[in-house]
Amino acid sequence: GAGVSQSPSNKVTEKGKDVELRCDPISGHTALYWYRQRLGQGLEFLIYFQGNSAPDKSGLPSDRFSAERTGGSVSTLTIQRTQQEDSAVYLCAFGGGGDYNEQFFGPGTRLTVL
Amino acid sequence: KQEVTQIPAALSVPEGENLVLNCSFTDSAIYNLQWFRQDPGKGLTSLLLIQSSQREQTSGRLNASLDKSSGRSTLYIAASQPGDSATYLCAVSSSYGKLTFGQGTILTVHP
Repeated sequence: GAGVSQSPSNKVTEKGKDVELRCDPISGHTALYWYRQRLGQGLEFLIYFQGNSAPDKSGLPSDRFSAERTGGSVSTLTIQRTQQEDSAVYLCAFGGGGDYNEQFFGPGTRLTVL
Repeated sequence: KQEVTQIPAALSVPEGENLVLNCSFTDSAIYNLQWFRQDPGKGLTSLLLIQSSQREQTSGRLNASLDKSSGRSTLYIAASQPGDSATYLCAVSSSYGKLTFGQGTILTVHP
């Protein structure tokens, strides 16, 4: 992606554990999106942050999922009490935030829940 | 609910061939359409962005067209090369730029 970094690149955890996934932004982009890609499926929208506005959480699959964005920059996606179906690649993306703006993706975090 | 479909699911061609990837979407109320490339173990690379008011965009050997009223887009790759081998994803943008993705087309270009 265009300078977007995510960490860790890979995470293996046991069922029931909590995990935190991190996304570091590139400057000049105000909107941040989280998506996930489960094996054999398309990318699914999870959550959207735009400046100081309330985030759009409509894509979060359950209340075990939460995300925050500190100071309009770094974002953390937290999954509590992980389940095997949470195994996926989690991708963050940045954009200008408007309806017409292009998005740039990070390399993703591959999460495996055993 | 917006649904995006990509055809074919997989494509294998010899080097040098021109090829077309297809994308269709059910709700024509989109702001833009993006074509991405995804390489194994890596994130998505944006290839082309077509605004809803545009008909096509070109970048090098790539040309993407958009027919918003019929809910279709095509990605044309000219003179394919082995380095073009990847998964190609089509995504349409709704409000706030939220993207709805297709399942992708896995392209293999063999020497």
